[in-house]
Amino acid sequence: ETGVTQSPTHLIKTRGQQVTLRCSSQSGHNTVSWYQQALGQGPQFIFQYYREEENGRGNFPPRFSGLQFPNYSSELNVNALELDDSALYLCASSPGQGASYEQYFGPGTRLTVT
Amino acid sequence: GIQVEQSPPDLILQEGANSTLRCNFSDSVNNLQWFHQNPWGQLINLFYIPSGTKQNGRLSATTVATERYSLLYISSSQTTDSGVYFCAVVEGWSYNTDKLIFGTGTRLQVFP
Repeated sequence: ETGVTQSPTHLIKTRGQQVTLRCSSQSGHNTVSWYQQALGQGPQFIFQYYREEENGRGNFPPRFSGLQFPNYSSELNVNALELDDSALYLCASSPGQGASYEQYFGPGTRLTVT
Repeated sequence: GIQVEQSPPDLILQEGANSTLRCNFSDSVNNLQWFHQNPWGQLINLFYIPSGTKQNGRLSATTVATERYSLLYISSSQTTDSGVYFCAVVEGWSYNTDKLIFGTGTRLQVFP
C-alpha cells in the first residue's frame, strides 16, 4: 500500500510569484485535504477535495485554490505569494467525504517566500 | 469556533520515564485523532479515538467526549519519541462543512 506523497520537498519563491504543490493520495482514498503549518503552530485547514469538487474551506483567501484529478491526486495553487505564506504545506488523504474519517498525512512541502 | 488546548506545552523526560499529555476541547466534537510530528515535519497517526480507550504498544489513549478531553499516555519513553504531539478534533457534524482543528501541541524531548 502506497502512502501519501507530496512534491516538491522544498521550494523557494519570490513575493508576488505563483506556486503549485502536488499531492498523491493513499491507495483507496478519494478525499484530499490541504493544511498550512506556520513555524511553531499546529496545521490549519485550507480546503478539502472530494471526487474533484471542493468540499469545505477554511479561512484562507481566494488566491489559495486547488484541483483534484480523476485519480484523486491533488494540486494546491497559491497566487500572488506573500511573505506570510512561508510555511509547511501538508496534504492528507482519507477514504471518505468530510473530516471525520481518519486522515493520513504526507511528508509536506516546505515553502519559503523571500 | 472550537478551541483545542494541550498541556503541558513542553515536556522534558529522561529515557524510561512515563508521561501523560492532555487535550481539552471547548465543544462537542465528531471525532478525535492524536498525531506525532517528527523533527522532519511528518505527521504520524497514533490514534483515531472519538471515545473510549485504545492501546498500541507503549502508547495508549483515552477520550472522554462527554467531559471534552483526551489523554495520551507514553510509557517507558525512548529518544525516538521526541517531537511534537498534536491532538486534532473534528468540528462540525456535516460532511460538507466539518473540518479538522489541531490543538496547540506538546513538544516532548527525551534524553538518554
